[in-house]
Amino acid sequence: GNSVTQMEGPVTLSEEAFLTINCTYTATGYPSLFWYVQYPGEGLQLLLKATKADDKGSNKGFEATYRKETTSFHLEKGSVQVSDSAVYFCALRPYSSNTGKLIFGQGTTLQVKP
Amino acid sequence: DGGITQSPKYLFRKEGQNVTLSCEQNLNHDAMYWYRQDPGQGLRLIYYSQIVNDFQKGDIAEGYSVSREKKESFPLTVTSAQKNPTAFYLCASSIEDRFPYEQYFGPGTRLTVT
Repeated sequence: GNSVTQMEGPVTLSEEAFLTINCTYTATGYPSLFWYVQYPGEGLQLLLKATKADDKGSNKGFEATYRKETTSFHLEKGSVQVSDSAVYFCALRPYSSNTGKLIFGQGTTLQVKP
Repeated sequence: DGGITQSPKYLFRKEGQNVTLSCEQNLNHDAMYWYRQDPGQGLRLIYYSQIVNDFQKGDIAEGYSVSREKKESFPLTVTSAQKNPTAFYLCASSIEDRFPYEQYFGPGTRLTVT
């Protein structure tokens, strides 16, 4: 079946450190891949997306590259800020799905300290 | 501004009472979704609807009910049959005919049942 696995958190970094949050998936074909961010007490916001192999999604300094060969979509940012502290969710939409249903990972909490 | 509205942000109920959570969108999206989020966990799909007057059960539909009488509205009723209703509830919507069908989320309703 389809699934998404994220690295366990919390991830704790100092301001200006480099961030990587690992995400791997299991799915047939070419699923669409997404990263969402959830700030405390709020809903999820779409951060970036990629729809085919080698696509790079980017937004607000965050990047993720769709790697078909390793079935991965790791989130990276070169220099994190305290304001990036949030929960990050990796998600996929199955290639063959006839609905917009997404499959989410468990989420990874990021804490950035000044 | 287009978006998804969920009200209220906080809701308190006594055990044994049914409660209805509101979700309204003005994005002209075809599909709408309800998720449940428990502390430190990912999102679990309760119900979804791709068109008006039609909806399908998600992974944890027991104890919940929905209706979709209008394209803009997708209310969720948490019934007394739901064993553990205290949670954070998120509503989302997506366009069904625009690849890659990313979902947009509302701000959520935190339900506490005592």
